[in-house]
Amino acid sequence: AQKITQTQPGMFVQEKEAVTLDCTYDTSDPSYGLFWYKQPSSGEMIFLIYQGSYDQQNATEGRYSLNFQKARKSANLVISASQLGDSAMYFCAMREGPNTGNQFYFGTGTSLTVIP
Amino acid sequence: DSGVTQTPKHLITATGQRVTLRCSPRSGDLSVYWYQQSLDQGLQFLIQYYNGEERAKGNILERFSAQQFPDLHSELNLSSLELGDSALYFCASSATGSLDLYEQYFGPGTRLTVT
Repeated sequence: AQKITQTQPGMFVQEKEAVTLDCTYDTSDPSYGLFWYKQPSSGEMIFLIYQGSYDQQNATEGRYSLNFQKARKSANLVISASQLGDSAMYFCAMREGPNTGNQFYFGTGTSLTVIP
Repeated sequence: DSGVTQTPKHLITATGQRVTLRCSPRSGDLSVYWYQQSLDQGLQFLIQYYNGEERAKGNILERFSAQQFPDLHSELNLSSLELGDSALYFCASSATGSLDLYEQYFGPGTRLTVT
């Protein structure tokens, strides 16, 4: 089974609207972390947001929030008030805890295009 | 600018050769991570070092090796290169090696082309 699944290869959103990028994960480790990264066309990787498996509240960082639904094993990224500069590839990732070797897994990414 | 530096930016070499990629983490960061991004395999975690010691190992081939030096910079050595090793290699750093401190800072990457 895939450890990280991103089912939306491409998404479009109107500028100033909110958009949700889906991510589901699979692990049996009770201790894990979930990450979202942004990769613009220039190629650099930018860390956006993190959610720990024991965190009670959903993580937020500015316009980014992570909708963490533990029972459903989903960690969707919500971008509010989209801007043209948000157009990029977005990767969801999971890091398992020491019980399973501290492994990192990445999804295949979602290409987001913000339309003016 | 993330504060993580990687050299060289681009590298073109032939099959069978050996190359070394270098990474300097952000000042004060003890952990260094290496990732490979290729068109067919996507993003893959290769290896993590924390304060000179290997902390986690991902999908790193036996032809590849890495180390972290006392000054905390890290090198990724790729040997017996094959066409399929052509990829963007990222280094990232973080303050600790655990899940507790999660923020990773990525370098600009080294684009390796094997011909």
